[in-house]
Formats: sequence, C-alpha cells, structure tokens
Amino acid sequence: QQQVRQSPQSLTVWEGGTTVLTCSYEDSTFNYFPWYQQFPGEGPALLISILSVSDKKEDGRFTTFFNKREKKLSLHIIDSQPGDSATYFCAASVTGNTGKLIFGLGTTLQVQP
Amino acid sequence: GPKVLQIPSHQIIDMGQMVTLNCDPVSNHLYFYWYKQILGQQMEFLVNFYNGKVMEKSKLFKDQFSVERPDGSYFTLKIQPTALEDSAVYFCASSPTGPNERLFFGHGTKLSVL
Repeated sequence: QQQVRQSPQSLTVWEGGTTVLTCSYEDSTFNYFPWYQQFPGEGPALLISILSVSDKKEDGRFTTFFNKREKKLSLHIIDSQPGDSATYFCAASVTGNTGKLIFGLGTTLQVQP
Repeated sequence: GPKVLQIPSHQIIDMGQMVTLNCDPVSNHLYFYWYKQILGQQMEFLVNFYNGKVMEKSKLFKDQFSVERPDGSYFTLKIQPTALEDSAVYFCASSPTGPNERLFFGHGTKLSVL
C-alpha cells in the first residue's frame, strides 16, 4: 500500500502554460513535504518543501499548496519551460525523526516548446 | 552546488557475490542515507547513518546489508551475498546538520545481479 500517491503519472504541457501536479498521503503524522525534481541520469534535487503548519509556499515560478484536512498537496509551475521537463517526486516525513522520507512514484513532465 | 558522488555508476555481478557501493558525500555533511529504487517503483528508504552509527533502517535493509564510513572516507553500502531482488538503483544522500534538512542525492548506482 502506497503511503504517498502522485498523479498524474505523466503530463505534457505547452511552453508558457501552468503545470499542476498532485499528491496525497495516508499517515496523518506526516508534517514535512518536500518536492524533488529529477533529470534523467541525475539524482533527485530538492525543489521546494512545505511544513504542515503552512498552506502555501512559493519560490519563483514554483508554488506548493497544502491541504491538511484532505491530506493533499499540489505543485504548481507557472510559465512552464522546456527546461522544467523532468520527473517530480512528492515525499513526506515526520520532523524530528531520523529523516526517513516516503516518496511517491513520481510524475514525468514534458514541456513542449 | 554541493555534489554527492557515487561510484560506480553501474555494477554487474553474479548472484551470491559481494558488492560494495561507494558514496562520497558532501564534505561538511553529517547525516548519510541510502535509498533503493526498483525499476517502475518509488524510491524507498533503506538506512540512515550518523556519528558512526545506524540511526534507522527499514525492513528492506536485510541482514546481508551493512553500511560504514571508516575515518570519514566513502560512505559504503555492502551487500553480501547478493540476491536477484537486490537489482535496483541505489541512491546515496547526505544532509548537513540533521534529519529533515535538504537531502543532497547522488546520481545513483545501478546494480544488476545476474
């Protein structure tokens, strides 16, 4: 049983459009939610993260929203660029523990010029 | 930015042999991690390591697995003996000062057990 679920599995958007990736989780004790971006042949790299005490965090073109009641979060990319083409992983953990992250399966994004 | 290096990038071995995966973490980082990703599945936590000790390990971290970082050199994952189900990409990660800090991941080592 997956504790962190992501949708869609893959997505294609046009350059300049808005990308929306979603994530849901099971364990209500999770309170830290990072999004990692992975390009082919590379390791995942932290893109943005949010704690459960917040409902929104923005970093440039990237914004993550958090809904504690529904146990859902989302990643929005505005003005999507071909360079954003990558796999995006949602993850979850409990702060104060040993740093064990539970990852989703990922969403593969393709931004078409 | 800071880089985690993993050596080798691909390792092919026969079932039953021993394998050591090497990781050169970011120099001033104190926490080290191994994750395993089987093709088509999510990346799964194996173990984390701090101050010379395993802090937590998952059920995937079988008795045949061990980790160490002797004298601040490579952080290694050793599998002895290997099994077919150990075939996966293994990602090493490090973080500077504690859990839930940003993890810096390496490129991964693809392990193929034949």
